[in-house]
Amino acid sequence: GNSVTQMEGPVTLSEEAFLTINCTYTATGYPSLFWYVQYPGEGLQLLLKATKADDKGSNKGFEATYRKETTSFHLEKGSVQVSDSAVYFCALRLTGGGNKLTFGTGTQLKVEL
Amino acid sequence: EAGVTQSPTHLIKTRGQQATLRCSPISGHTSVYWYQQALGLGLQFLLWYDEGEERNRGNFPPRFSGRQFPNYSSELNVNALELEDSALYLCASSSQGFSPNQPQHFGDGTRLSIL
Repeated sequence: GNSVTQMEGPVTLSEEAFLTINCTYTATGYPSLFWYVQYPGEGLQLLLKATKADDKGSNKGFEATYRKETTSFHLEKGSVQVSDSAVYFCALRLTGGGNKLTFGTGTQLKVEL
Repeated sequence: EAGVTQSPTHLIKTRGQQATLRCSPISGHTSVYWYQQALGLGLQFLLWYDEGEERNRGNFPPRFSGRQFPNYSSELNVNALELEDSALYLCASSSQGFSPNQPQHFGDGTRLSIL
């Protein structure tokens, strides 16, 4: 079946540190890939997406590149801020997969001063 | 533009009761999705509606049901509530429902608590 695996959290970083959150996937076809962010008490916000191999999604200083050869979509940011503290979800969506998003378990990020 | 709106924000019920959750999609979006975010279980797909029809259903019992209205808003109904139904229920919408490239945009959810 289709699945997404994310690194365990929480990830605790100092402000201005470099962030990587690993995400790998298993899929029977060629999925579209997404990163969502959830702030405390809120729903999910789309952070970025990539729809085919070698695409790079980017938004608000965050980036992720769709790597078909390693089935990965790692999230990176060069310099995190306290306001980036949230839970980050990696997700995939397949044509013919009933259009649902399949999510990873989420990675909590805590950024400290 | 207004985002996805869900009501109520919080809902408290007792075992055996029925709950109705509501969702209004982003204007112009024809697809609505429901997800359950339960503690320890992550985000699980519940239902997908497009143009008033149920298009896909996740691995949930039949007491979870819903519908989509002509204005594309949607209701999720949960009958015979059980303690394990306590969760955050998230609604999302998208345009071009059958395209996996179109992102789903989420509301802030309804927190359902079963006493």
